[in-house]
Amino acid sequence: SQTIHQWPATLVQPVGSPLSLECTVEGTSNPNLYWYRQAAGRGLQLLFYSVGIGQISSEVPQNLSASRPQDRQFILSSKKLLLSDSGFYLCAWSVGNRGNQPQHFGDGTRLSIL
Amino acid sequence: GENVEQHPSTLSVQEGDSAVIKCTYSDSASNYFPWYKQELGKRPQLIIDIRSNVGEKKDQRIAVTLNKTAKHFSLHITETQPEDSAVYFCAARLRGAYSSASKIIFGSGTRLSIRP
Repeated sequence: SQTIHQWPATLVQPVGSPLSLECTVEGTSNPNLYWYRQAAGRGLQLLFYSVGIGQISSEVPQNLSASRPQDRQFILSSKKLLLSDSGFYLCAWSVGNRGNQPQHFGDGTRLSIL
Repeated sequence: GENVEQHPSTLSVQEGDSAVIKCTYSDSASNYFPWYKQELGKRPQLIIDIRSNVGEKKDQRIAVTLNKTAKHFSLHITETQPEDSAVYFCAARLRGAYSSASKIIFGSGTRLSIRP
């Protein structure tokens, strides 16, 4: 069966520091991968999605970037964090090439910027 | 722009009564509509989904209806129980830069509380 792993689970970082969040999927090949951010008590904001290695679409202009160095690995990065980057970051995967399959979420990373 | 609107933002119902959450979408090409349940501090979990070739789908106490002409869809929970208390998100698949990807846009969520 497929599983998705995100780490770390929680992270406290100072303003201006770099960021690297990792997400890996097991049990499937060539998944579609996604990064979302959820502010406290709010909805899910799509940040990036990827249909394959080297193919990444950015949805929101910001100081974050994403990379997909391997088929089942998706990384969210920042060179300099802002206070507004605090939130709950969720990675998700889906399969299929028709866009009508559900997304499955990881357990998330709770990021606090001080 | 691409948008999914969800109402109400909060909903309180008596245990055993029904709950209805409504969503509208802007992209007439949308063809897939999942619903997620998120308990406090946890990941969103898929509870039911519907594709554009059907108008209604049911799974035990949960049902979803879709009106493509009006571009709205609804979640219905019958015989509500305390464990139904959570935040519910509707979503719609929009055509993204890569047509094969599920670029899904979420509604803002409904906090459902079940009163004992």
